[in-house]
Amino acid sequence: ETGVTQTPRHLVMGMTNKKSLKCEQHLGHNAMYWYKQSAKKPLELMFVYNFKEQTENNSVPSRFSPECPNSSHLFLHLHTLQPEDSALYLCASSRGGTSTGELFFGEGSRLTVL
Amino acid sequence: QQQVKQSPQSLIVQKGGISIINCAYENTAFDYFPWYQQFPGKGPALLIAIRPDVSEKKEGRFTISFNKSAKQFSLHIMDSQPGDSATYFCAAKEAGTASKLTFGTGTRLQVTL
Repeated sequence: ETGVTQTPRHLVMGMTNKKSLKCEQHLGHNAMYWYKQSAKKPLELMFVYNFKEQTENNSVPSRFSPECPNSSHLFLHLHTLQPEDSALYLCASSRGGTSTGELFFGEGSRLTVL
Repeated sequence: QQQVKQSPQSLIVQKGGISIINCAYENTAFDYFPWYQQFPGKGPALLIAIRPDVSEKKEGRFTISFNKSAKQFSLHIMDSQPGDSATYFCAAKEAGTASKLTFGTGTRLQVTL
């Protein structure tokens, strides 16, 4: 148990569906991240939030829409996805601010786009 | 452009042997180099990390060797055990950023009996 919980663990959706991934951290951290993990590729940073403010958008297509209502919760809203978006989506948190901190990852949401 | 190159892609080591995974980088602004371990069905977890002002860091059976001039660093797992079978990712952080990491492609390690 890392203190970062992701739901759902598995999601299958059609290209026209709208769904959301949820992440919650119980570590008192102030920074939260979305990463995409595909086979044989490096983990790809998608978004970073520091103290609820988005500080990084790594050229992610607009069909992925993040939301961070508070420092403990992070969402990734999905719509009109493509089959190549099928991957494991990992949420992570860290202390945030300017401190170099360890990333604590959740177990991921496995997304399949049909 | 892949900023952190990791090799090998997969590795099979006998129990009790030494596992060695290598990473190379180009960006001289990197100032923090962690290794993450990921078991199937789990997220990556920090294993060990090093800063470029030291050449080696050891924690139990795990050692990072760092060569600043060659811009390379490696993970050595001594006395490898079946429980070490996992995917290992090297990563690097750019100075001036907090925890924004650039990851390698990962090495799948299998330790056989």
